[in-house]
Amino acid sequence: LAKTTQPISMDSYEGQEVNITCSHNNIATNDYITWYQQFPSQGPRFIIQGYKTKVTNEVASLFIPADRKSSTLSLPRVSLSDTAVYYCLVGLGWGTNAGKSTFGDGTTLTVKP
Amino acid sequence: EPEVTQTPSHQVTQMGQEVILRCVPISNHLYFYWYRQILGQKVEFLVSFYNNEISEKSEIFDDQFSVERPDGSNFTLKIRSTKLEDSAMYFCASSEGWGLLTDTQYFGPGTRLTVL
Repeated sequence: LAKTTQPISMDSYEGQEVNITCSHNNIATNDYITWYQQFPSQGPRFIIQGYKTKVTNEVASLFIPADRKSSTLSLPRVSLSDTAVYYCLVGLGWGTNAGKSTFGDGTTLTVKP
Repeated sequence: EPEVTQTPSHQVTQMGQEVILRCVPISNHLYFYWYRQILGQKVEFLVSFYNNEISEKSEIFDDQFSVERPDGSNFTLKIRSTKLEDSAMYFCASSEGWGLLTDTQYFGPGTRLTVL
């Protein structure tokens, strides 16, 4: 399974764009990259998933370079409510390796007023 | 939007007692999962379930744990004899498929289990 590395924490201010980068140097050919968000005392929530290039939805964008050894989650114009832990997961669809994969430490994003 | 529900939201039990945590996955989902998160720690995978049997389980999921889909809507996690270290938030999740694009997992709000 591809190991992922993310910054432990990031601070931002309301209205700013936040970019969280995840390194996954040993990503396999069929692996997808998925990001989840977790608020305190809540279950993780799917944000976005991609394989290559750029994916955008109503919440975020995911940028994946050609070599796919990293990915960047971009949150436009964050608000205080975006304060959460953000997890990057890499696998053949996350559930397929569910028995061996787990959430890493994630990145704790703190948005300040 | 459909969602995964869990009951109870908080369960307090005495060490050695059996507990059953309940989940109602999203109705058209076929794959079900349990995770736990000890306070301040990572979310840990426990077990996945498909077609009425366990697909994968982690080292945490020992003989004290069992899962069941007793009817067409509920998915339960039973802990036979609870220990203090079982105190955690337990999350249920479900997904539509096991494939590349359809295995996004939807998590419930969790059950906080406190073992005294």
